[in-house]
Amino acid sequence: AQSVTQLDSHVSVSEGTPVLLRCNYSSSYSPSLFWYVQHPNKGLQLLLKYTSAATLVKGINGFEAEFKKSETSFHLTKPSAHMSDAAEYFCVVSLGGVNDMRFGAGTRLTVKP
Amino acid sequence: DVKVTQSSRYLVKRTGEKVFLECVQDMDHENMFWYRQDPGLGLRLIYFSYDVKMKEKGDIPEGYSVSREKKERFSLILESASTNQTSMYLCASSFLRDQETQYFGPGTRLLVL
Repeated sequence: AQSVTQLDSHVSVSEGTPVLLRCNYSSSYSPSLFWYVQHPNKGLQLLLKYTSAATLVKGINGFEAEFKKSETSFHLTKPSAHMSDAAEYFCVVSLGGVNDMRFGAGTRLTVKP
Repeated sequence: DVKVTQSSRYLVKRTGEKVFLECVQDMDHENMFWYRQDPGLGLRLIYFSYDVKMKEKGDIPEGYSVSREKKERFSLILESASTNQTSMYLCASSFLRDQETQYFGPGTRLLVL
């Protein structure tokens, strides 16, 4: 079985400072990993995905994530936060089947002016 | 742009009522999904469908049923609503060949009194 843990339920940063949202996973096999973002009153949108190619994955809006097998982590980063980044972020682990996707509990990102 | 629409943003129902949640997608996706989103629990899969009239149980199907009579439309049915079904319900769709890249609707917030 696979699972995912988002280490922070809420992260607050100032505009222009770096963002780090932490995600650890557990999986018996080589997983695929994803980050989804949910802006207020909107549906979830795929931010980026890792599927066993390059370990550093670039996504939309300047976000990227690095797959570290030794640490079983897939942290999401952005060099400089923008007000529009305020949203909830979900880390997802999957073994390839629809019924195998496991969503983390979510991290709410607040960006202060 | 992919569009996934849900029939209602907010619904208030009484215990024991039959509730229908409708979802429509316009991208000719084979897969459609219903999730439930609760604070601190992330998203949990209720049911999914990979073709018309086909359905598969997800992690929490109890108390729910689904219907897919047309490719673009997927309905979630609560036969007899209960207070523990108060939640945010998210519909999503995807291609069969890339089922982990899902497109989400804005959600229906259901309150059962």
